[in-house]
Amino acid sequence: QKEVEQNSGPLSVPEGAIASLNCTYSDRVSQSFFWYRQYSGKSPELIMSIYSNGDKEDGRFTAQLNKASQYVSLLIRDSQPSDSATYLCAVTNQGGKLIFGQGTELSVKP
Amino acid sequence: EAGVTQSPTHLIKTRGQQATLRCSPISGHTSVYWYQQALGLGLQFLLWYDEGEERNRGNFPPRFSGRQFPNYSSELNVNALELEDSALYLCASSSGSGRFQETQYFGPGTRLLVL
Repeated sequence: QKEVEQNSGPLSVPEGAIASLNCTYSDRVSQSFFWYRQYSGKSPELIMSIYSNGDKEDGRFTAQLNKASQYVSLLIRDSQPSDSATYLCAVTNQGGKLIFGQGTELSVKP
Repeated sequence: EAGVTQSPTHLIKTRGQQATLRCSPISGHTSVYWYQQALGLGLQFLLWYDEGEERNRGNFPPRFSGRQFPNYSSELNVNALELEDSALYLCASSSGSGRFQETQYFGPGTRLLVL
């Protein structure tokens, strides 16, 4: 079992729709959860971080964390073509290292 | 505020050679992390330096090594290059100590090609 798993996609949504990205993790002691966006050929950029159960909203983005189910998700409302990228879920507990999922490729069609 | 910088942007080496990659963290950050992103393998943690010391190491052979300088910049050295070392090498920095809530900010990466 991979430590962090994501649907590989590609996930295709029409412009203006809600994109839902999911991530599960295996280590119950994981404490911090991050969503990064990576455009092709570029480095990852942070979108959201979440540390406690529940929802966290930032503009069009909402991160949801359920530690009991070991599940974290990212919702993108009013999706735009510029949101087309690979979204990386990352988890950390200690020791400084981020453990990344394989990423979900999102395509927003105009 | 300047972000994480890395040099060179591209590096071409032949098998068996050594590669040296450099990273400067965000001003005020003391922790530097190195990751490898090889095609089809995702982002893999390589090394973590904080306050000049190696704090954690990923599952990579000893020919991957590095150091952190007193100004918190860092160097990644890859000895005896192999074809499968071809990848994007990403450096990230954070404010320090690897506390679990720290956010890591990534540099633009160095793309290493081993021929």
